[in-house]
Amino acid sequence: RKEVEQDPGPFNVPEGATVAFNCTYSNSASQSFFWYRQDCRKEPKLLMSVYSSGNEDGRFTAQLNRASQYISLLIRDSKLSDSATYLCVVNGAGGSYIPTFGRGTSLIVHP
Amino acid sequence: NAGVTQTPKFRVLKTGQSMTLLCAQDMNHEYMYWYRQDPGMGLRLIHYSVGEGTTAKGEVPDGYNVSRLKKQNFLLGLESAAPSQTSVYFCASSSTGLFQPQHFGDGTRLSIL
Repeated sequence: RKEVEQDPGPFNVPEGATVAFNCTYSNSASQSFFWYRQDCRKEPKLLMSVYSSGNEDGRFTAQLNRASQYISLLIRDSKLSDSATYLCVVNGAGGSYIPTFGRGTSLIVHP
Repeated sequence: NAGVTQTPKFRVLKTGQSMTLLCAQDMNHEYMYWYRQDPGMGLRLIHYSVGEGTTAKGEVPDGYNVSRLKKQNFLLGLESAAPSQTSVYFCASSSTGLFQPQHFGDGTRLSIL
């Protein structure tokens, strides 16, 4: 089983839709979690950290479920510019402090 | 504020040639990383460093060497380039601590013919 798993998608949604992605992790001792966004052929950029109590940044909401070992990203009122690959990152997976990346979930928002 | 800067942005090599990729960060970060990204494979960690003068192997270290002689620089070397090393290479850095996110450079696109 991979340490960090994501559904690769693509998720095809119309503008204005709400879409959610999950990311599961295998190591229950994992300590910190992040969502990154990566546009085609560009570098990953931090979208948001994921806190135990859940956190929101505008149209984006991130949640952590330690019992089921997954994090989620909810995007409301999708924009064309949200089209990208969303990478889940887990620190402490595999027992180390080195971040482990999921392979990403592709989102395509169409008019 | 430059953040993480990678040099060069693009390079084409012939099989067997050597080259060095440079990563420089101006955020005084302790940790630095080199990744490669191939289609369908996601980011794979090549080598990393937790401080000046220290390096460690990641998931796919074979065929690469690294050095961290100065805190702000992390060099990735290919001693004898192979076509399998054709990839996009990303450097990243982060502060000390489990809760610190990584900051990425904008990548080096390397083709080995």
